[in-house]
Amino acid sequence: DVVMTQTPLSLSVTPGQPASISCKSSQSLLHSDGKTYFSWFLQRPGQSPQLLIFEVSSRVSGVPDRFSGSGSGTDFTLKISRMEAEDVGNYYCMQATSLPRTFGQGTKVEI
Amino acid sequence: EVQLLESGGGLVHPGGSLRLSCAASGFPFNAYAMTWVRQAPGKGLEWVSTISYTGDDYADSVKGRFTISRDNSKNTVFLQMNRLRIEDTAVYYCVKGLRLFDHWGHGTLVAVSS
Repeated sequence: DVVMTQTPLSLSVTPGQPASISCKSSQSLLHSDGKTYFSWFLQRPGQSPQLLIFEVSSRVSGVPDRFSGSGSGTDFTLKISRMEAEDVGNYYCMQATSLPRTFGQGTKVEI
Repeated sequence: EVQLLESGGGLVHPGGSLRLSCAASGFPFNAYAMTWVRQAPGKGLEWVSTISYTGDDYADSVKGRFTISRDNSKNTVFLQMNRLRIEDTAVYYCVKGLRLFDHWGHGTLVAVSS
């Protein structure tokens, strides 16, 4: 199984300041079709997870442009350029290149 | 608007069974794979099973005990859970997609306890 390791596991951010979360996979997430099936999710308190970023850097429609994803191979990063109150929650990375799909442990982001 | 509405959760004894349902709307259901993801209390996300045109896949932790199926005429996906264990206690989310998990239901709680 592909192991996804997120760092840090918790993060306190001042409003208006940037934040960054790293996710490393135990093997390359580059699929034979040329795509990298790596996503970021945000789970706000009491809510279901929501997809923020897919295929490393593609932002879902409606997600603010202060969220950006980058990386390749085994190393990936989610950046929030300016933290807002609504960004509080648990962030998860996930790989869908191979089965079983696997998630990172989650990063709790608070203000 | 895509909607996924799970039902069927509840309290069950170890060794018991439950059948979860997920009613989907707002998209061409038969054109998409469907997935179940669970989250134990206070824990992270765990992929459980996916059904697609190529067949069905399962996490090792549920293989042989859980069965995913779908009824395209009713836009519904199911998760039959047998021989339930205490460690199966979780909120079970119905998710649209094979690799792109772009819509999630609100989840249904399954509690396995004696």
